[in-house]
Amino acid sequence: GAGVSQSPSNKVTEKGKDVELRCDPISGHTALYWYRQSLGQGLEFLIYFQGNSAPDKSGLPSDRFSAERTGGSVSTLTIQRTQQEDSAVYLCASRSDGGYSYNEQFFGPGTRLTVL
Amino acid sequence: AQSVTQLDSHVSVSEGTPVLLRCNYSSSYSPSLFWYVQHPNKGLQLLLKYTSAATLVKGINGFEAEFKKSETSFHLTKPSAHMSDAAEYFCVVEGGGNKLTFGTGTQLKVEL
Repeated sequence: GAGVSQSPSNKVTEKGKDVELRCDPISGHTALYWYRQSLGQGLEFLIYFQGNSAPDKSGLPSDRFSAERTGGSVSTLTIQRTQQEDSAVYLCASRSDGGYSYNEQFFGPGTRLTVL
Repeated sequence: AQSVTQLDSHVSVSEGTPVLLRCNYSSSYSPSLFWYVQHPNKGLQLLLKYTSAATLVKGINGFEAEFKKSETSFHLTKPSAHMSDAAEYFCVVEGGGNKLTFGTGTQLKVEL
């Protein structure tokens, strides 16, 4: 497809379980971002990948959160030992390095995570 | 560090009347500013962006915003509201690494 896709769209898990959230960015976009949208915290930055550079992990809330980007394309956000406060919508965005839209981030529909 | 403050958490207007959503920013340098819209159960969509070119920026769906450095403001306006404009609107500032810092959002309600 032409846009950013995320899967699953909804995930319900039990406290203490690990979850993996997937993001497929727009083809050719070199930058990929993860954000979290929750009732208490609003929209907050988590992690950023740019090409082959080391990711900027400055927004990750704890060491239970990690992410990787394989082959400069698909990214997976992993949350280990989930807690109820991890419940949120996790948004992925990608950005091109060139053209008129070079600094526009295109967002996916999000994954709604519910931790019981 | 960059930040944005959205002055109203909720705004209610009648259909056909003007919309004003207020945003103030804080930045140590000339910022790039954005307005995003989020309709219920939909993804974030870019309305418009300011990147140090013209201070009056026109976006999609008849929205526009004016960058005022002296007031550190970037208010979003539309001359005539439509029912389909009901959504949550986010003022956003871009920081290092193009990371976005979002405001807390303004919920726009449009009444008949």
